[in-house]
Amino acid sequence: EPEVTQTPSHQVTQMGQEVILRCVPISNHLYFYWYRQILGQKVEFLVSFYNNEISEKSEIFDDQFSVERPDGSNFTLKIRSTKLEDSAMYFCASTGDNEQFFGPGTRLTVL
Amino acid sequence: GQQLNQSPQSMFIQEGEDVSMNCTSSSIFNTWLWYKQDPGEGPVLLIALYKAGELTSNGRLTAQFGITRKDSFLNISASIPSDVGIYFCAGPRFNAGNNRKLIWGLGTSLAVNP
Repeated sequence: EPEVTQTPSHQVTQMGQEVILRCVPISNHLYFYWYRQILGQKVEFLVSFYNNEISEKSEIFDDQFSVERPDGSNFTLKIRSTKLEDSAMYFCASTGDNEQFFGPGTRLTVL
Repeated sequence: GQQLNQSPQSMFIQEGEDVSMNCTSSSIFNTWLWYKQDPGEGPVLLIALYKAGELTSNGRLTAQFGITRKDSFLNISASIPSDVGIYFCAGPRFNAGNNRKLIWGLGTSLAVNP
């Protein structure tokens, strides 16, 4: 069964460093999303992406964040200069019609 | 932001008991989705509902799409320890420009005592 994959599963970085989180959405899906979940809190929407551009972004998704679909399969989230409060699980998701499928997440720890 | 009202917030039950949780909205949804999230993992889609009044089962799970299209419930029968986790309802919103976004409930945390 097709699934969303994410790499790496864990990422530890120093504050101020750039990180790139990678996702491979389900191949025939057209809508892509990034969410984050701070430990013990609910899943928060970051950004949605369709037709090679951002459709919507939340207030969390400030200038430090960017997304890209560099080729036909990958969908990346870049955090330019990480802060301690960026430590969280980051989930990628993709949608075909209505159902949204999530990847297993990347646990980002900023020291 | 917009969210769905999900209740109860948490449940602690004995193994073998049935569980019921529900989700309500002030506005209509054309699709209801139920997800389960295990600690440290991504939400996993359990059941998708597409039609008002629809009743759909997935093993011991049963979900219904309310007639008014403003609510849905999820039942788990004969709970087992691996049912532990957080259950979320969600509904897609389709905005202008082909934007599709999921509106989430805050989740029901389920604990099962073996």
